[in-house]
Amino acid sequence: EDKVVQSPLSLVVHEGDTVTLNCSYEVTNFRSLLWYKQEKKAPTFLFMLTSSGIEKKSGRLSSILDKKELSSILNITATQTGDSAIYLCAVEKTSGSRLTFGEGTQLTVNP
Amino acid sequence: SAVISQKPSRDICQRGTSLTIQCQVDSQVTMMFWYRQQPGQSLTLIATANQGSEATYESGFVIDKFPISRPNLTFSTLTVSNMSPEDSSIYLCSVDGTWPSTDTQYFGPGTRLTVL
Repeated sequence: EDKVVQSPLSLVVHEGDTVTLNCSYEVTNFRSLLWYKQEKKAPTFLFMLTSSGIEKKSGRLSSILDKKELSSILNITATQTGDSAIYLCAVEKTSGSRLTFGEGTQLTVNP
Repeated sequence: SAVISQKPSRDICQRGTSLTIQCQVDSQVTMMFWYRQQPGQSLTLIATANQGSEATYESGFVIDKFPISRPNLTFSTLTVSNMSPEDSSIYLCSVDGTWPSTDTQYFGPGTRLTVL
């Protein structure tokens, strides 16, 4: 059975801190790993990772995939209160486009 | 990326009734999916909405409870039938790609359903 595990499940930090969120997976026919940010209802797409070792970056957020370790990390530097959200990791299979989601990490950034 | 809208954005329903949720995309897309997110939980795929044929349901979800239509490449509906309080969730439509290619998945704004 496909599995995606995220850690930690929740995290509370102060503005300006740097955080690292983890995602590990066990899936057959892996195609890509995706990160989403969910603030209210709809998850907002952050990154799609298909190749190992290549960092993707967008502003203060960055992410990298390690296919050997079957894992990915999402880094957020100089956190702001607006970064408070649930961060979801999902894995896509080559056999279809269905996504398997992890439980999510609830990040709270306090002023 | 495609622009996705969902209607209604939220609803409060009585047990035993049914609700149909609409998902509209501003361009033709290859794949459309319906997810459910129960309170405090992550997203679970209900089914893949196939254009011109029956939806493909995931384990634990059946057509009688969650009938789905997809009459064309830009529109789909999900009906939650004979609702119970356990159906209270956020229901999300997502799309994958602009016809005929596939791309990453984007989500609609979601429908928050409360069943009393």
